[in-house]
This record gives sequence, C-alpha cells and structure tokens, in this order.
Amino acid sequence: DAGVTQSPTHLIKTRGQQVTLRCSPKSGHDTVSWYQQALGQGPQFIFQYYEEEERQRGNFPDRFSGHQFPNYSSELNVNALLLGDSALYLCASRSIHRGEALHFGNGTRLTVT
Amino acid sequence: DAKTTQPNSMESNEEEPVHLPCNHSTISGTDYIHWYRQLPSQGPEYVIHGLTSNVNNRMASLAIAEDRKSSTLILHRATLRDAAVYYCILRVFVNAGGTSYGKLTFGQGTILTVHP
Repeated sequence: DAGVTQSPTHLIKTRGQQVTLRCSPKSGHDTVSWYQQALGQGPQFIFQYYEEEERQRGNFPDRFSGHQFPNYSSELNVNALLLGDSALYLCASRSIHRGEALHFGNGTRLTVT
Repeated sequence: DAKTTQPNSMESNEEEPVHLPCNHSTISGTDYIHWYRQLPSQGPEYVIHGLTSNVNNRMASLAIAEDRKSSTLILHRATLRDAAVYYCILRVFVNAGGTSYGKLTFGQGTILTVHP
C-alpha cells in the first residue's frame, strides 16, 4: 500500500518562473493539504483540498494556487517565483471521515535561483 | 490558533525513557493534542494524539495534565531511530457544511538527540 507520493523530489527554477508540484494521496484518503517548510523551520500550512475545492487556506499570497482532481490527487502551483519560495514542499493526506492523522510525503525540494 | 511551547532540544541515551514536554496554556475545550515527528530528510510522521485522557500506542505514550495546559510525550525506550524533531500541535477544527476540516500549526519543535 503506497503512502503519499510526491513528484518531483527536487527542482531548480529561476526567479519569475512558474512551478507545478504533484501529489498522490495514500490509498483511501480523500483530502490533501500542502505545507511549505523553510530550512530549520516547522512546516507552514498553505491550503487544504477536499471534493476538488479549496477548503482552508493559510497566510500565503495568491501566487500559490492548487487543484484537486477526481482521483483525489493534487497539484500545487506557484507563479512568479521569488527567492524566498525556496523550501521543502510537503503534501499530506487523510480520510476526512475515518482518520485523524495526516500522512505526509517526503516532499519536493524547490530551489529558486 | 492556540500555541504550544517546547524546549528547543533534548538529549537522551539509547534504551532510556524520554519525556518530551509541551505547554499549551491557551488550549480550548475542543482542541486535540497531536504529536508528530520528522526524521532527517523525511516528511513528518504521526506519533499519537489525545483529548483529555492519557493515551498509549505502539510508538509512545501521551500524558495530558488534568487542566490540559500541558502534556508530555513519553518514549519508553529510546532508540537511535527515534532521533528526530518532535512537534506538539493543537489541532484546530473548522466546521464547514457539517464536515470538519483541520490544519496543523507547527512550531519549531524539539530536536531529540539519542546517544548510543
């Protein structure tokens, strides 16, 4: 039973570019959350998707957007990349009705130069 | 969001018990106390959670103070594999259309070092 999978594992982009990160939730999970983790810091909540809609959002600008597909997988898009967007981006999933725990993937390391 | 306070770092010896404290004096009645840990180069991993009563699972025990203003994660016999950053988190629920959602607000966590 595969856990949460994220792709790619590493990515290098240039300031001003756009990036798309992908996440497949754990089997049986229907809600996906995205987190940003800067070096040496705890993860910061970006947003959460359920039933293909954004349900909660953290304190992130509109440059950060997302999508959830009918198969529950999700994408995180970041436009107009800034140097400060360099971080580990984590995806987490859970079952909205069955489980309390979030299951995290190992993240995508984004470097903006 | 209610905040938690944890020591920046703690050290332990292998096969000894470890008690990781967490203060959450502004906790509300419906906040669950969650613990996650993050091993190097991995995403966070769920450890345990509770509301009022002490909880045990195969990984750890969670002791919750009677007033719920503090809690302690207990690793009964630390191993080298337990070296990680441990996060104490209050789970905030936002009800929307009858379905509860939750986001996790991570702090800095406690870096646990385990010595052989």
